[in-house]
Amino acid sequence: DADVTQTPRNRITKTGKRIMLECSQTKGHDRMYWYRQDPGLGLRLIYYSFDVKDINKGEISDGYSVSRQAQAKFSLSLESAIPNQTALYFCATSDSGTSGSNEQFFGPGTRLTVL
Amino acid sequence: AQTVTQSQPEMSVQEAETVTLSCTYDTSESDYYLFWYKQPPSRQMILVIRQEAYKQQNATENRFSVNFQKAAKSFSLKISDSQLGDAAMYFCAYYNNDMRFGAGTRLTVKP
Repeated sequence: DADVTQTPRNRITKTGKRIMLECSQTKGHDRMYWYRQDPGLGLRLIYYSFDVKDINKGEISDGYSVSRQAQAKFSLSLESAIPNQTALYFCATSDSGTSGSNEQFFGPGTRLTVL
Repeated sequence: AQTVTQSQPEMSVQEAETVTLSCTYDTSESDYYLFWYKQPPSRQMILVIRQEAYKQQNATENRFSVNFQKAAKSFSLKISDSQLGDAAMYFCAYYNNDMRFGAGTRLTVKP
């Protein structure tokens, strides 16, 4: 069973549509992240959350919003999708606990295409 | 802002040989973490190895080892006895409050 799940896995939408990507985790981690991956650019951080009441902008937050509904759930919304938001989106989690490794565990990714 | 640079967009290695992937980073911090992640065609991100900046000893995980040069801000990954399953994109990443990734190196393994 996957520890970090993302839905949907693939999505095609049209310019101007609102879309939500969802992430759930069973790892019990307090920290959650959203990244986008574009060819030649690696992964870039969109938003991150260190607990349910904590939301922080990442490197490229414009055009996106997030909601941390519970410790285990972190959603990413595109209020009005545009073609340059076509990318692979990853959710990740990490544990702020005493292990201190800061390793992030990734979901399987969502391939989003905006036409 | 911290940046991570992987200067080799593509690398190739013969099966059973050794290959080294390069990574440099820019930071003014003294305490941070460095990672190498592997992304096979399945697109899943898989942790290969991690290094804490305060540790002088280079991390090793089976066939994977790093050469961490803190003063030079260099963090290269060495893969020994390369296997066909090692073919993937490899990303170097830096962590201090948030994670910054390099653009990646595509590794091809030739049989």
